[in-house]
Amino acid sequence: RKEVEQDPGPFNVPEGATVAFNCTYSNSASQSFFWYRQDCRKEPKLLMSVYSSGNEDGRFTAQLNRASQYISLLIRDSKLSDSATYLCVVTPSSGAGSYQLTFGKGTKLSVIP
Amino acid sequence: SQTIHQWPATLVQPVGSPLSLECTVEGTSNPNLYWYRQAAGRGLQLLFYSVGIGQISSEVPQNLSASRPQDRQFILSSKKLLLSDSGFYLCAWSPRLSITDTQYFGPGTRLTVL
Repeated sequence: RKEVEQDPGPFNVPEGATVAFNCTYSNSASQSFFWYRQDCRKEPKLLMSVYSSGNEDGRFTAQLNRASQYISLLIRDSKLSDSATYLCVVTPSSGAGSYQLTFGKGTKLSVIP
Repeated sequence: SQTIHQWPATLVQPVGSPLSLECTVEGTSNPNLYWYRQAAGRGLQLLFYSVGIGQISSEVPQNLSASRPQDRQFILSSKKLLLSDSGFYLCAWSPRLSITDTQYFGPGTRLTVL
């Protein structure tokens, strides 16, 4: 099983739609979780951290399910500017190895007018 | 605020030639620094990380090397490039004492080896 798995997509959705991405991780000792956004031919940028209780930032909601080892990202009222690749990121454990982020390959989202 | 710079932005090199990519961070001290590679259709692969001057840890054995001559400078090098070295090279930093492990990326260098 790969360390971090994501559906590569692409997800093609109309403007205004709600879209959700899931990501599974294999290491049950993982401590920190993030969603990054990467535009075409650009660097990844932090979208949001994922907290155990779930968290929301405007139209974006992230949730963590430790029992099933997956995290999710929900985007409501999709905008054209949301078109990008969304990367699921996990840190393997706390302590010395905690800065070694493990990235999924990303899920590509295209929001269509 | 903190900023991270990488250069060059793009590079086309012949097989067997040397490589030197540079990364500098401004606005912070004692950062952790990282080099990643993103090959076409693949995820980000951590190549090296550094927790201080002269301290380099390698994640993947290969013909690349890294050095940290100054606190906020990180260099990726190769003596002889291979075709398989083509990719998007990203430098990142994180606060040394951060509890969130968040990493921030530079704009990247797109390397094509011919």
